[in-house]
Parts: sequence; C-alpha cells; structure tokens
Amino acid sequence: DGGITQSPKYLFRKEGQNVTLSCEQNLNHDAMYWYRQDPGQGLRLIYYSQIVNDFQKGDIAEGYSVSREKKESFPLTVTSAQKNPTAFYLCASSISTYEKLFFGSGTQLSVL
Amino acid sequence: AQKITQTQPGMFVQEKEAVTLDCTYDTSDPSYGLFWYKQPSSGEMIFLIYQGSYDQQNATEGRYSLNFQKARKSANLVISASQLGDSAMYFCAMREDSRDSGYSTLTFGKGTMLLVSP
Repeated sequence: DGGITQSPKYLFRKEGQNVTLSCEQNLNHDAMYWYRQDPGQGLRLIYYSQIVNDFQKGDIAEGYSVSREKKESFPLTVTSAQKNPTAFYLCASSISTYEKLFFGSGTQLSVL
Repeated sequence: AQKITQTQPGMFVQEKEAVTLDCTYDTSDPSYGLFWYKQPSSGEMIFLIYQGSYDQQNATEGRYSLNFQKARKSANLVISASQLGDSAMYFCAMREDSRDSGYSTLTFGKGTMLLVSP
C-alpha cells in the first residue's frame, strides 16, 4: 500500500544534541512538508519542498534543517539551536502544492 | 491576524445527531481552497473534504458536507448522523493560490475537539 512512513514514533533528545526525523513516501508525490504541532495549537509549517534538491522555509524554520536528495525522502533535523523542540512532528506529501496533503502518523519528540 | 479561526475548542454531540464545526478564514486572494482534516488520538491527519473558492456548490463527501458562505468567509463542516468513531480533533485549513513564490501551502486553524457520546 502507498503511504507515508515516519520514524521513529517516539524520540528523545538530550540537551545540545541534534536529532533527525525520518519521512519516506511511496506515493510518487512531488511536494513534501514538515509540520510541528504543540498541544492546543494547530499545525505550523517548518519546511516544504516542491522538487528534489529544492526546499523553502515555512513559518517556524529556525532551529531546523532539511534535505531533499531523493523524491521519496525528506528528513528533518532538529538542531541544538531549537530551544523548545518538544512537540509532535508531522510529515506530509502531495502531488503538488495545490493538492490535498497526505500525512504520516507523526513523531513525538521529547527533551530529556 | 489569524488566517483561520476555529472558535469552538470543544463540542459535544450525541450519537446519530448532526453537528456543525465552525471555521472562518481571512484572505484577500480571489483563488483559494479550504480543507477539513480529522485527527484521531492516533495522531494521523485524515483528509475529509475540500472546497474551492470558485466552486458553485457546497462540497459533500458521504456524511460530511461543507457549508461554504463566501461573503461571510466561513466554511463550516457539517457531520450528519454522528458516530462514536467521529470523536477526534478537527482542523480547518486554507490554501492561498496567489503567492509570489509560485508555491502554495496550507495554513491550519487551532482545531475543535469533537466528542460523540452514546
């Protein structure tokens, strides 16, 4: 079955550590996205990518980095510069940025 | 100013009754799209329904319908004959099409928690 796979489901970060969240899709979608969700808040866009080797900052990109070396993969690195990384992270993809988004099951990141 | 406003933090409904979840939006873009997503406790976001700004009729998908009032800038989700499995967070989102970058992204509201009781 086609879909979006996020791993791991739960992740813990020590202070000063960088961590990478994985997102893989086999839907042959061009566009991919990373959203952050905090309790009681909606989803906020971190980064998005329309094509391979190209990506744009969203509303809250500071402290995060991404790469898009393959169409299927869009990993997100939460750097030590992100001072409040505890949140639920959702990856999504779409045929184009004008189409509906398909989401993965999310990664809960917590700080030790 | 918020682009998407969902004024109901929580809603309660009895099984088999209909419920309306409110969403208002703010845009000066003549071309835009409105989406509703459901997020159960598992965390995954599930697409429910879409309405384009130029669509003449209100969108419907099974038990879901969208009450689109363009002049009022509202896009309320109506769920008919509620089921226990409808208990979840519901998010309204907007896509604005006329961006300088040529790309378009979704902006989400803060959501409404719906609880369906037997």
